[in-house]
Amino acid sequence: SQKIEQNSEALNIQEGKTATLTCNYTNYSPAYLQWYRQDPGRGPVFLLLIRENEKEKRKERLKVTFDTTLKQSLFHITASQPADSATYLCALDGNAGNMLTFGGGTRLMVKP
Amino acid sequence: EAGVAQSPRYKIIEKRQSVAFWCNPISGHATLYWYQQILGQGPKLLIQFQNNGVVDDSQLPKDRFSAERLKGVDSTLKIQPAKLEDSAVYLCASSNRGSRAEGYTFGSGTRLTVV
Repeated sequence: SQKIEQNSEALNIQEGKTATLTCNYTNYSPAYLQWYRQDPGRGPVFLLLIRENEKEKRKERLKVTFDTTLKQSLFHITASQPADSATYLCALDGNAGNMLTFGGGTRLMVKP
Repeated sequence: EAGVAQSPRYKIIEKRQSVAFWCNPISGHATLYWYQQILGQGPKLLIQFQNNGVVDDSQLPKDRFSAERLKGVDSTLKIQPAKLEDSAVYLCASSNRGSRAEGYTFGSGTRLTVV
C-alpha cells in the first residue's frame, strides 16, 4: 500500500542548530515533493517544492533534498530559531492525477 | 492578495445533525480543494474542483458528504448527517492551475466538533 512516513515524535533542538526532518514514501513515484509549515489553529503554508530531477533546493535558511532511489526527502532548517517551532508536513503527488497527498507531519520545537 | 477565506472558524453540532462549511479561494485560482485533518494527522483530500467541475472525489464519503462549487468561485462542503468520527478540521485550499508543480494556498480551516 502507499505510505508517506514522517517521524511522529517531536524533534527538540537548541536554537542555532540545524534541524533535519525526514519524509519517506513507499509505492509512490512522485514527480514533485512539497514541504509545508503548519502552526496550531492555522492551515498549512507552502514552503518549498522540489522536482524528481532535482537533488537539492534551497530557500534562505531552508534546504530540501530529494532522493528518488531511497524514496526519501530531507528538510533542513539551518541556524534554527524558536520562531521555527511548528509542524512540518511533506506532500507528494500521487501516482495518478494532480492531487497532493500529505504525510502526518513532524513537530519541531526549537528551544532558546 | 487576500488569502483563502473560510467560515465558520468553529462549529459544534450533535451527531446526526447537518453542517455546512464555506470557502472563498484566492481570486483567479481555478482549482479548489477540500481536505479533512483529524487531530495529529496530515490533511486528507476529500474533493478537488477545477473551475466548477469535480476532478476527483474518490475519497469523499458520498453517503453523507457533498460539495459544490457554483460558478467556479466559492464552494460549500456539507455533512448530513454528521457522525462522531467527522470531528476534524476542514481545510480549503486553492491553486492557480491545479498543476503538481505549484504550491497550494490553504485557509485557516473550520474546526468541527461532533458531540
